[in-house]
Amino acid sequence: EVQLVQSGAEVTKPGESLKISCKGSGYSFTSFWIAWVRQMPGKGLEWMGIIHPGGPSTRYSPSFEGQVTMSVDKSINTAYLQWNSLKASDTAVYYCAKVSATSSSATFQEHWFDPWGQGTQVTVSS
Amino acid sequence: QSVLTQPPSASGTPGQRVTISCSGNNSNIGSNYVYWYQQFPGKAPKLLIYGSDQRPSGVPDRFSGSKSGTSASLAISGLRSEDETDYHCAAWDDSLSGWVFGGGTKLTVL
Repeated sequence: EVQLVQSGAEVTKPGESLKISCKGSGYSFTSFWIAWVRQMPGKGLEWMGIIHPGGPSTRYSPSFEGQVTMSVDKSINTAYLQWNSLKASDTAVYYCAKVSATSSSATFQEHWFDPWGQGTQVTVSS
Repeated sequence: QSVLTQPPSASGTPGQRVTISCSGNNSNIGSNYVYWYQQFPGKAPKLLIYGSDQRPSGVPDRFSGSKSGTSASLAISGLRSEDETDYHCAAWDDSLSGWVFGGGTKLTVL
């Protein structure tokens, strides 16, 4: 079974740094992109970026470029999302997801997110 | 402000057919596939429709997707109480070189 398991909820203060994780299993972790998606309280989903564990190679949404850093540790099939200085507005649930398609030669337009991790609640409050 | 536009809410009675719309432009829906995700409160989204009108295995055929021009729709026929939850549309956007989402629609089964 393809599965992504994320690290637990975090409560932090403004200005602090944080790194959350997403561990993949049940598939070739280094062969598929991993996406990160933010969901602020009561709001919709926002694509943050993708990382290819085989590279690693990254592509950030313009809205999140410079605000977060994506990384991977191939040796333990784990992707990470990191902040250097959190703000209260970073309070949200963060999801990772496997970027999937029917063909290995598909373009990004033909890719979707499936499955998703269970989400990590990040709360930033003084 | 989400790039794709969905109605914030929709409703129907058991057994009814309801549709949820998703509006975009030529950079996203107009030139790319649409994807639909179902999300229950406190849970992760789950893929419902890919390739605009394809159902993954395990998704009931009561759910169907369609696309026309710069708009897409998710239709749910034979509405059931367990369908009451949030639905999100998504597509690749050529101008942004990334995926964009709608704001989500909360479906209520009356």
